[in-house]
Amino acid sequence: GNSVTQMEGPVTLSEEAFLTINCTYTATGYPSLFWYVQYPGEGLQLLLKATKADDKGSNKGFEATYRKETTSFHLEKGSVQVSDSAVYFCALVYYGNNRLAFGKGNQVVVIP
Amino acid sequence: GAVVSQHPSRVICKSGTSVKIECRSLDFQATTMFWYRQFPKQSLMLMATSNEGSKATYEQGVEKDKFLINHASLTLSTLTVTSAHPEDSSFYICSARDPGPTSYEQYFGPGTRLTVT
Repeated sequence: GNSVTQMEGPVTLSEEAFLTINCTYTATGYPSLFWYVQYPGEGLQLLLKATKADDKGSNKGFEATYRKETTSFHLEKGSVQVSDSAVYFCALVYYGNNRLAFGKGNQVVVIP
Repeated sequence: GAVVSQHPSRVICKSGTSVKIECRSLDFQATTMFWYRQFPKQSLMLMATSNEGSKATYEQGVEKDKFLINHASLTLSTLTVTSAHPEDSSFYICSARDPGPTSYEQYFGPGTRLTVT
């Protein structure tokens, strides 16, 4: 079945550091891929998406590239801010199936 | 555009009572809405898919008689937790699917924190 795997554990880093959160997926066919962000006590917000291989999604300084050959969609940001502290979820949806499959999420803590 | 609201944002109820949570798409019509449950520091667990005008489709292990879902209009879906118990305490999040024919994006509500005492 379709599934998403995110790297284990929270991520703690200093302001202006480079952020990478790994995401790999297993799916039949060609899913659409998403990164969602959840701030404390809130629902999920779509951060960026990519719908086909080699697409790059970008928003608010974050980027992720749909890599079919490595079945990955790693999230990156060149210089994080304290306001980027949140939980980040990688997700996919497969055509013909409405369901979003989520990774476990990564808590990102940015310290001043 | 594509805003989804939930009401209430927080609710505390006594064990044995029922609680209704509303999910509304504010600026678009959503034929399909989803209900998720999120435990602390965990990912979202899909509970059910709600289709306007028809019965909801529940995921395996979710009690349909306990979690009643009604999608009576294209902008409103409700989740009723019946005879709530402390183990039902959780963060409930709804989402609505983008109505476009080729889009599978979902827009999420802000969530409802349910505490059962």
